[in-house]
Amino acid sequence: TQLLEQSPQFLSIQEGENLTVYCNSSSVFSSLQWYRQEPGEGPVLLVTVVTGGEVKKLKRLTFQFGDARKDSSLHITAAQTGDTGLYLCAGRNSNSGYALNFGKGTSLLVTP
Amino acid sequence: GAGVSQTPSNKVTEKGKYVELRCDPISGHTALYWYRQSLGQGPEFLIYFQGTGAADDSGLPNDRFFAVRPEGSVSTLKIQRTERGDSAVYLCASSQGVGYTDTQYFGPGTRLTVL
Repeated sequence: TQLLEQSPQFLSIQEGENLTVYCNSSSVFSSLQWYRQEPGEGPVLLVTVVTGGEVKKLKRLTFQFGDARKDSSLHITAAQTGDTGLYLCAGRNSNSGYALNFGKGTSLLVTP
Repeated sequence: GAGVSQTPSNKVTEKGKYVELRCDPISGHTALYWYRQSLGQGPEFLIYFQGTGAADDSGLPNDRFFAVRPEGSVSTLKIQRTERGDSAVYLCASSQGVGYTDTQYFGPGTRLTVL
Protein backbone atom coordinates (compact mmCIF):
# COMPACT_ATOMS: atom_id res chain seq x y z
CA THR A 1 0.00 0.00 0.00
CA GLN A 2 1.45 3.33 -1.05
CA LEU A 3 0.27 6.11 1.20
CA LEU A 4 1.88 8.91 -0.77
CA GLU A 5 0.22 10.25 -3.93
CA GLN A 6 2.47 12.00 -6.40
CA SER A 7 1.34 14.29 -9.19
CA PRO A 8 1.69 14.64 -12.02
CA GLN A 9 2.63 11.09 -12.95
CA PHE A 10 4.38 12.23 -16.14
CA LEU A 11 5.77 15.60 -17.13
CA SER A 12 7.46 16.65 -20.38
CA ILE A 13 8.87 20.15 -20.61
CA GLN A 14 11.47 22.10 -22.54
CA GLU A 15 14.78 23.21 -21.17
CA GLY A 16 14.51 26.49 -19.30
CA GLU A 17 10.96 25.99 -18.06
CA ASN A 18 9.97 25.83 -14.39
CA LEU A 19 7.98 22.98 -12.87
CA THR A 20 6.50 21.80 -9.61
CA VAL A 21 5.70 18.25 -8.55
CA TYR A 22 3.60 17.32 -5.57
CA CYS A 23 3.54 14.62 -2.92
CA ASN A 24 0.39 14.29 -0.81
CA SER A 25 -0.81 12.03 1.97
CA SER A 26 -3.49 11.79 4.62
CA SER A 27 -0.83 10.58 7.05
CA VAL A 28 1.58 12.65 9.10
CA PHE A 29 5.23 11.89 8.54
CA SER A 30 8.17 12.39 10.88
CA SER A 31 10.40 12.91 7.89
CA LEU A 32 9.97 13.10 4.16
CA GLN A 33 12.63 12.52 1.56
CA TRP A 34 12.91 13.20 -2.14
CA TYR A 35 14.89 10.88 -4.39
CA ARG A 36 15.81 10.89 -8.06
CA GLN A 37 16.11 7.61 -9.92
CA GLU A 38 17.60 7.09 -13.36
CA PRO A 39 17.01 3.98 -15.51
CA GLY A 40 18.95 0.96 -14.29
CA GLU A 41 19.97 2.62 -11.06
CA GLY A 42 18.71 2.82 -7.51
CA PRO A 43 17.13 5.97 -6.07
CA VAL A 44 19.56 8.69 -4.95
CA LEU A 45 18.63 10.95 -2.05
CA LEU A 46 18.17 14.64 -2.88
CA VAL A 47 16.90 16.04 0.43
CA THR A 48 15.31 15.21 3.78
CA VAL A 49 12.77 17.52 5.44
CA VAL A 50 11.58 17.05 9.00
CA THR A 51 9.98 20.28 10.24
CA GLY A 52 6.51 21.44 9.19
CA GLY A 53 6.82 24.44 6.86
CA GLU A 54 10.50 23.73 6.20
CA VAL A 55 11.96 24.93 2.90
CA LYS A 56 15.26 23.61 1.58
CA LYS A 57 17.11 24.65 -1.54
CA LEU A 58 19.55 22.58 -3.55
CA LYS A 59 20.84 24.73 -6.42
CA ARG A 60 17.82 25.06 -8.76
CA LEU A 61 15.66 22.70 -6.70
CA THR A 62 13.41 23.97 -3.89
CA PHE A 63 11.73 21.54 -1.53
CA GLN A 64 8.91 22.41 0.85
CA PHE A 65 7.35 20.35 3.64
CA GLY A 66 3.75 21.20 4.46
CA ASP A 67 2.88 22.79 7.79
CA ALA A 68 0.99 19.67 8.87
CA ARG A 69 3.81 17.37 7.63
CA LYS A 70 1.40 15.54 5.31
CA ASP A 71 2.52 16.93 1.97
CA SER A 72 5.55 18.23 0.13
CA SER A 73 6.48 19.87 -3.14
CA LEU A 74 9.55 20.01 -5.33
CA HIS A 75 10.05 23.03 -7.56
CA ILE A 76 12.70 23.10 -10.28
CA THR A 77 13.73 26.42 -11.77
CA ALA A 78 15.05 26.63 -15.33
CA ALA A 79 15.03 22.90 -15.93
CA GLN A 80 17.98 21.29 -17.69
CA THR A 81 18.15 18.06 -19.69
CA GLY A 82 20.18 16.58 -16.85
CA ASP A 83 17.14 16.89 -14.57
CA THR A 84 15.42 14.12 -16.53
CA GLY A 85 14.52 11.18 -14.31
CA LEU A 86 12.00 9.67 -11.92
CA TYR A 87 11.38 11.79 -8.83
CA LEU A 88 10.19 9.85 -5.82
CA CYS A 89 8.99 11.09 -2.46
CA ALA A 90 9.23 8.82 0.56
CA GLY A 91 7.98 9.28 4.11
CA ARG A 92 8.69 7.67 7.43
CA ASN A 93 6.55 7.64 10.56
CA SER A 94 5.88 5.54 13.62
CA ASN A 95 3.65 3.20 11.59
CA SER A 96 6.26 2.55 8.94
CA GLY A 97 9.04 2.11 11.44
CA TYR A 98 12.37 2.10 9.68
CA ALA A 99 10.93 1.47 6.23
CA LEU A 100 10.45 4.18 3.64
CA ASN A 101 6.94 4.56 2.19
CA PHE A 102 7.40 5.63 -1.41
CA GLY A 103 5.01 7.28 -3.80
CA LYS A 104 4.75 6.05 -7.40
CA GLY A 105 6.94 8.86 -8.63
CA THR A 106 6.84 11.62 -11.22
CA SER A 107 8.62 10.81 -14.47
CA LEU A 108 10.20 14.02 -15.79
CA LEU A 109 11.52 14.48 -19.31
CA VAL A 110 13.34 17.69 -20.15
CA THR A 111 13.96 18.20 -23.86
CA PRO A 112 16.44 20.61 -25.46
CA GLY B 1 34.47 4.06 -1.16
CA ALA B 2 32.27 1.48 -2.78
CA GLY B 3 28.54 1.90 -2.68
CA VAL B 4 25.92 -0.80 -2.28
CA SER B 5 26.39 -3.55 -4.82
CA GLN B 6 23.91 -6.17 -5.94
CA THR B 7 24.37 -9.34 -7.93
CA PRO B 8 23.29 -10.46 -10.38
CA SER B 9 22.18 -7.32 -12.19
CA ASN B 10 19.69 -9.37 -14.20
CA LYS B 11 18.17 -12.76 -13.51
CA VAL B 12 15.83 -14.64 -15.81
CA THR B 13 14.24 -17.78 -14.43
CA GLU B 14 11.33 -20.08 -15.11
CA LYS B 15 8.16 -20.27 -13.07
CA GLY B 16 8.60 -22.59 -10.12
CA LYS B 17 12.37 -22.20 -9.82
CA TYR B 18 14.35 -21.00 -6.80
CA VAL B 19 16.44 -17.81 -6.95
CA GLU B 20 18.91 -16.03 -4.70
CA LEU B 21 19.69 -12.33 -4.91
CA ARG B 22 22.75 -10.93 -3.17
CA CYS B 23 23.40 -7.54 -1.59
CA ASP B 24 26.75 -6.14 -0.40
CA PRO B 25 26.07 -3.07 1.75
CA ILE B 26 28.40 -0.16 2.40
CA SER B 27 31.10 -1.23 4.84
CA GLY B 28 30.19 -0.41 8.42
CA HIS B 29 26.48 0.09 7.79
CA THR B 30 24.53 -1.86 10.36
CA ALA B 31 21.09 -1.46 8.80
CA LEU B 32 20.13 -3.19 5.57
CA TYR B 33 16.82 -3.03 3.71
CA TRP B 34 15.23 -4.87 0.79
CA TYR B 35 12.63 -3.21 -1.42
CA ARG B 36 10.79 -4.38 -4.54
CA GLN B 37 9.96 -2.03 -7.41
CA SER B 38 7.43 -3.14 -9.97
CA LEU B 39 7.05 -1.39 -13.30
CA GLY B 40 5.51 2.05 -12.90
CA GLN B 41 5.60 1.88 -9.12
CA GLY B 42 7.77 3.25 -6.36
CA PRO B 43 9.82 0.84 -4.28
CA GLU B 44 7.88 -1.21 -1.71
CA PHE B 45 9.48 -2.32 1.55
CA LEU B 46 10.13 -6.01 2.06
CA ILE B 47 12.42 -6.54 5.06
CA TYR B 48 14.86 -4.70 7.31
CA PHE B 49 17.90 -6.05 9.15
CA GLN B 50 19.66 -4.49 12.10
CA GLY B 51 22.89 -6.44 12.36
CA THR B 52 22.24 -10.13 11.77
CA GLY B 53 18.60 -10.21 12.78
CA ALA B 54 15.53 -9.37 10.76
CA ALA B 55 14.04 -6.52 12.76
CA ASP B 56 10.99 -6.13 10.54
CA ASP B 57 9.85 -8.58 7.84
CA SER B 58 6.30 -7.28 7.59
CA GLY B 59 6.70 -6.43 3.90
CA LEU B 60 7.49 -9.95 2.71
CA PRO B 61 4.49 -10.90 0.55
CA ASN B 62 4.31 -14.57 1.57
CA ASP B 63 6.36 -17.45 2.90
CA ARG B 64 8.04 -18.07 -0.45
CA PHE B 65 10.24 -15.07 0.34
CA PHE B 66 13.04 -15.30 2.88
CA ALA B 67 16.15 -13.24 3.58
CA VAL B 68 19.27 -13.79 5.66
CA ARG B 69 22.24 -11.76 6.83
CA PRO B 70 24.31 -14.30 8.76
CA GLU B 71 27.37 -12.19 9.54
CA GLY B 72 25.76 -8.78 9.67
CA SER B 73 27.12 -7.69 6.31
CA VAL B 74 26.13 -9.41 3.06
CA SER B 75 22.46 -10.30 2.71
CA THR B 76 20.72 -12.79 0.45
CA LEU B 77 17.07 -12.60 -0.57
CA LYS B 78 15.71 -16.03 -1.43
CA ILE B 79 12.57 -16.69 -3.42
CA GLN B 80 11.14 -20.20 -3.67
CA ARG B 81 8.75 -21.50 -6.33
CA THR B 82 8.93 -18.24 -8.28
CA GLU B 83 5.77 -16.90 -9.92
CA ARG B 84 5.38 -14.51 -12.86
CA GLY B 85 4.10 -11.88 -10.43
CA ASP B 86 7.48 -11.89 -8.69
CA SER B 87 9.00 -10.17 -11.73
CA ALA B 88 10.33 -6.80 -10.57
CA VAL B 89 13.50 -4.93 -9.68
CA TYR B 90 14.72 -5.90 -6.23
CA LEU B 91 16.56 -3.04 -4.53
CA CYS B 92 18.84 -3.24 -1.53
CA ALA B 93 19.74 -0.27 0.65
CA SER B 94 21.94 0.25 3.67
CA SER B 95 22.27 2.97 6.27
CA GLN B 96 24.63 3.79 9.10
CA GLY B 97 21.85 4.44 11.60
CA VAL B 98 18.11 4.04 11.79
CA GLY B 99 16.96 7.51 12.75
CA TYR B 100 14.26 9.32 10.78
CA THR B 101 16.88 11.44 9.04
CA ASP B 102 19.39 8.70 8.32
CA THR B 103 20.16 8.26 4.64
CA GLN B 104 19.45 4.95 2.98
CA TYR B 105 21.90 4.33 0.15
CA PHE B 106 20.47 2.18 -2.62
CA GLY B 107 22.17 -0.31 -4.89
CA PRO B 108 21.41 -0.53 -8.62
CA GLY B 109 19.00 -3.40 -8.11
CA THR B 110 18.54 -6.88 -9.54
CA ARG B 111 15.98 -7.13 -12.32
CA LEU B 112 14.18 -10.46 -11.90
CA THR B 113 12.16 -11.83 -14.79
CA VAL B 114 10.06 -14.95 -14.23
CA LEU B 115 8.97 -16.57 -17.48
